[in-house]
Amino acid sequence: EPEVTQTPSHQVTQMGQEVILRCVPISNHLYFYWYRQILGQKVEFLVSFYNNEISEKSEIFDDQFSVERPDGSNFTLKIRSTKLEDSAMYFCATQGEKLFFGSGTQLSVL
Amino acid sequence: GENVEQHPSTLSVQEGDSAVIKCTYSDSASNYFPWYKQELGKGPQLIIDIRSNVGEKKDQRIAVTLNKTAKHFSLHITETQPEDSAVYFCAASSPGSGNTGKLIFGQGTTLQVKP
Repeated sequence: EPEVTQTPSHQVTQMGQEVILRCVPISNHLYFYWYRQILGQKVEFLVSFYNNEISEKSEIFDDQFSVERPDGSNFTLKIRSTKLEDSAMYFCATQGEKLFFGSGTQLSVL
Repeated sequence: GENVEQHPSTLSVQEGDSAVIKCTYSDSASNYFPWYKQELGKGPQLIIDIRSNVGEKKDQRIAVTLNKTAKHFSLHITETQPEDSAVYFCAASSPGSGNTGKLIFGQGTTLQVKP
């Protein structure tokens, strides 16, 4: 069964550092998403991406966040200057007929 | 905007019993309602979904019902097995969004099936 692959599974970083989270979508999917889940809270939508541009973003997705698909395969989420409150599980999801999630990257900002 | 509430937050049943998880949503324009199962260390896995033009859908031991008038939908698992133990999330599509991939999630239910 095809799956969404995310790397790394865990990322520890110092406050103020840049991080890049990576996702390999299911090959024939065209819509890509990032969600996050802060410990004990709901899974929250961050951004959707289609045809090489952002189609929709939430209030959480401020100027510190960016997404791109530089090489036509990897879909990345970059956080420029991490804050303590960015600590969360970040899920990539890709959509064909249905929405499929990756296993997530646990980001810890110290 | 859309808000989804899920109950209960934890549910413990004996193996073989049924489990029911309930969700309510606030915006009647939502038209797609998936359920996800999340096991430890894994991402949410789609287990069943329903669209607003259908009242009930069943897949083996799992069923989902939708009441559009009351704006609630439920997940029913019959003949529960220990491997059903996981966190279950309901979700609703965000009204006004151009695609059904933007979902609003409930808080999650931790289901424990005791052997």
